[in-house]
Amino acid sequence: AQKVTQAQTEISVVEKEDVTLDCVYETRDTTYYLFWYKQPPSGELVFLIRRNSFDEQNEISGRYSWNFQKSTSSFNFTITASQVVDSAVYFCALSEVGDAGANNLFFGTGTRLTVIP
Amino acid sequence: GAVVSQHPSRVICKSGTSVKIECRSLDFQATTMFWYRQFPKQSLMLMATSNEGSKATYEQGVEKDKFLINHASLTLSTLTVTSAHPEDSSFYICSASVWPRNTEAFFGQGTRLTVV
Repeated sequence: AQKVTQAQTEISVVEKEDVTLDCVYETRDTTYYLFWYKQPPSGELVFLIRRNSFDEQNEISGRYSWNFQKSTSSFNFTITASQVVDSAVYFCALSEVGDAGANNLFFGTGTRLTVIP
Repeated sequence: GAVVSQHPSRVICKSGTSVKIECRSLDFQATTMFWYRQFPKQSLMLMATSNEGSKATYEQGVEKDKFLINHASLTLSTLTVTSAHPEDSSFYICSASVWPRNTEAFFGQGTRLTVV
């Protein structure tokens, strides 16, 4: 069975601080995809990153960086120099690749990030 | 990137009425569409998976007669909440994927349904 755990329910940081959002996943598949989405108050899901299970290379995109560690089944997300606009709920998600192609996304419970000016 | 348009973004309806939500893939053909529901301050939970031209597959606990899903074309899937009740009030969001790149999921903007 697949499972995504985001242990941090809510995090508050002061603007310009760095913050790391944790994500731990469980899956029996060897081929899978991991995602991070941002959900601002308006509700839409903003895609941030997709990583496949064979690519453990960490990625940096501007102030965002991701640390994928298969050994610990973790896919953590770090925001450096946080800004007020980063305030949102962030979801980590897992997609397994079945015989017919990718399946649906299994979402973690989300982490609500509040950046205080 | 691919665009998925969901309509309406907000709807308020009376208890007992039915509401239809549309999910369109604007610049690609979606072989598979997923419907999720999100209650306030909770995560997104998959309701059903629909493949074009076939019956939707519902997750356990989701009433298929209450949440009717139609995926009649490769660009449109609809979710109809029949005989809506206040407990159906939620945020509904669709996503679409396309073969062979169906490892990517493109999400609509979501529909906030309020049943009064």
